[in-house]
Amino acid sequence: NAGVTQTPKFRVLKTGQSMTLLCAQDMNHEYMYWYRQDPGMGLRLIHYSVGEGTTAKGEVPDGYNVSRLKKQNFLLGLESAAPSQTSVYFCASSQGQGSGGELFFGEGSRLTVL
Amino acid sequence: QQQVKQSPQSLIVQKGGIPIINCAYENTAFDYFPWYQQFPGKGPALLIAIRPDVSEKKEGRFTISFNKSAKQFSLHIMDSQPGDSATYFCAASKTWVTDKLIFGTGTRLQVFP
Repeated sequence: NAGVTQTPKFRVLKTGQSMTLLCAQDMNHEYMYWYRQDPGMGLRLIHYSVGEGTTAKGEVPDGYNVSRLKKQNFLLGLESAAPSQTSVYFCASSQGQGSGGELFFGEGSRLTVL
Repeated sequence: QQQVKQSPQSLIVQKGGIPIINCAYENTAFDYFPWYQQFPGKGPALLIAIRPDVSEKKEGRFTISFNKSAKQFSLHIMDSQPGDSATYFCAASKTWVTDKLIFGTGTRLQVFP
């Protein structure tokens, strides 16, 4: 079982460039999330989706956009990358309301913005 | 912003020791407290979770202790092994509301042989 798959795993950008991170899950989960992980900051929620075609802002949404056109995919976009967006990004999914609360994470995408 | 405060930031123990990681929360409406384990280069994975109707939950060598009045909960790892070396995150939310799961800042545990 693939679970949650993130692509790419590594990326280096120059300030001002744009990019998209792709997350795919094969568990038929309703909810999907994008987190960023920074040293000493834990996991902070960027955006999330509670179903196909829906998105919502999390704790740190500025500078990011997302789309959930298909239930199994959740895209995270950076329109104009900044050095402050250097981080490890994790996608996660869950069954949603009434599921017991377990999040299933991908292995992460390490982004460096120069 | 509702916070979950986690300590210590890092922890070093010898094999067989009992590392303890502590977390404190603010929102009294929280009633779901999971712990996630993350190995280097991997994503976090659910380790164990507790709800406040019990004061303790054990799964193998991992135990969560919960103190509702103090709004604190902790993870104990019995007979720790080098394979337990990982980063541990506590978290809190209202039951089933996974879109509002608040994570602590993480504890890096190193267990030496």
